[in-house]
Amino acid sequence: QSVLTQPPSVSGAPGQRVTISCTGSNSNIGARYEVHWYQQLPGTAPKLLIYGNTNRPSGVPDRFSGSKSGTSASLAITGLQAGDEADYYCQSYDSSLSRWVFGGGTKLTVL
Amino acid sequence: QVQLQESGPGLVKPSGTLSLTCAVSGDSISGNNWWIWVRQSPGKGLEWIGEIYHTGRTNYNPSLKRRVTISVDKTKNQFSLNLTSVTAADTAVYYCATMAVAGFDYWGQGTLVTVSS
Repeated sequence: QSVLTQPPSVSGAPGQRVTISCTGSNSNIGARYEVHWYQQLPGTAPKLLIYGNTNRPSGVPDRFSGSKSGTSASLAITGLQAGDEADYYCQSYDSSLSRWVFGGGTKLTVL
Repeated sequence: QVQLQESGPGLVKPSGTLSLTCAVSGDSISGNNWWIWVRQSPGKGLEWIGEIYHTGRTNYNPSLKRRVTISVDKTKNQFSLNLTSVTAADTAVYYCATMAVAGFDYWGQGTLVTVSS
């Protein structure tokens, strides 16, 4: 069981908007530790998608956006494309466990 | 652009030691980055193993701490992972990564290590 909780799967049609939630607790997201998001395309290494809750690294399209409120965070993807099919992971730091923690991952299917 | 490349045996015997190296190019390992190991068991999520700064300061996952050692070799611009007393539960793809300010911003391609006799 992951410290950060994500839905196992989400889906959407091309062009639609989807959101992926990441629920934590007062020892991680709620303790104001930043949330980062990763995209893992099939058979490849994870790629940093969002850092510091809301920031996109250079080269990441603005179709991807992050937000955070209280003990939860969300990743939004607009204008869904077939190439967005991947596993998405959230990450934060947990002060009780003294370690970086990841969500269990969410598989995005583009219908 | 930082590039990371993992190397090491793909098969380790139970109770043995898993040893991997991550070669860094495009940046100095003595820069202001943390150098990180993450693993992913087959079909599972990501697990942070530990990290090292070029000064030698380390942070380890408490659940693995008694078995893990991460070290830096500045002369070769690389860092290494040693995991002792391995079992089948340590079978995973092992990734090296780096963090400058926030988020693990560069990753190696990963290397599969299988623990089996």
